Amino acid sequence: KAGVTQTPRYLIKTRGQQVTLSCSPISGHRSVSWYQQTPGQGLQFLFEYFSETQRNKGNFPGRFSGRQFSNSRSEMNVSTLELGDSALYLCASSLEGDGEYGYTFGSGTRLTVV
Amino acid sequence: GQSLEQPSEVTAVEGAIVQINCTYQTSGFYGLSWYQQHDGGAPTFLSYNALDGLEETGRFSSFLSRSDSYGYLLLQELQMKDSASYFCAAPTGSARQLTFGSGTQLTVLP
Repeated sequence: KAGVTQTPRYLIKTRGQQVTLSCSPISGHRSVSWYQQTPGQGLQFLFEYFSETQRNKGNFPGRFSGRQFSNSRSEMNVSTLELGDSALYLCASSLEGDGEYGYTFGSGTRLTVV
Repeated sequence: GQSLEQPSEVTAVEGAIVQINCTYQTSGFYGLSWYQQHDGGAPTFLSYNALDGLEETGRFSSFLSRSDSYGYLLLQELQMKDSASYFCAAPTGSARQLTFGSGTQLTVLP
């Protein structure tokens, strides 16, 4: 079966711009979580969507937002980009969002802010 | 708060056994997961321990001791392809979202 698909793979943006990243989960998975990965901070939880509702949110500013569509595809948006937003953004899908049974991660979107 | 501590780097030779430790402090502990991530790749799920004891999956085993707030990942018969970052992670919060440790970079030498 198809894995988790994230687009685009690479992105270069300028400070102050906004960006939208996309994630298509495994078919049948209803939970999509987003993580930011940086060398200094590791993997940090952004938010989780389940059945089109944001169920949980990490400690990130309001510039980071997301949504989930009825087909479970999810997007995350970052407005007013800052240099510190440069990171690998990973999405992970699971059936119900129970982390203990394992998430399937996408390959990520590498965002560079210049 | 939630925190998981693991060593930043471990080095071992091909064919050897290596253990990567993880100590945790979380409110509402459900269990401990392990993920592997190669450079530039996606984290991949290795194992999950809900109960105390050892879980074995091929060359990889994972152990949990709830009383000690401690777990480890054991890799046997190391191969070059095992060189990667390994993360422990625990479901936390009411929605059981994963909180990750900072990762251990494993280097396997020939």
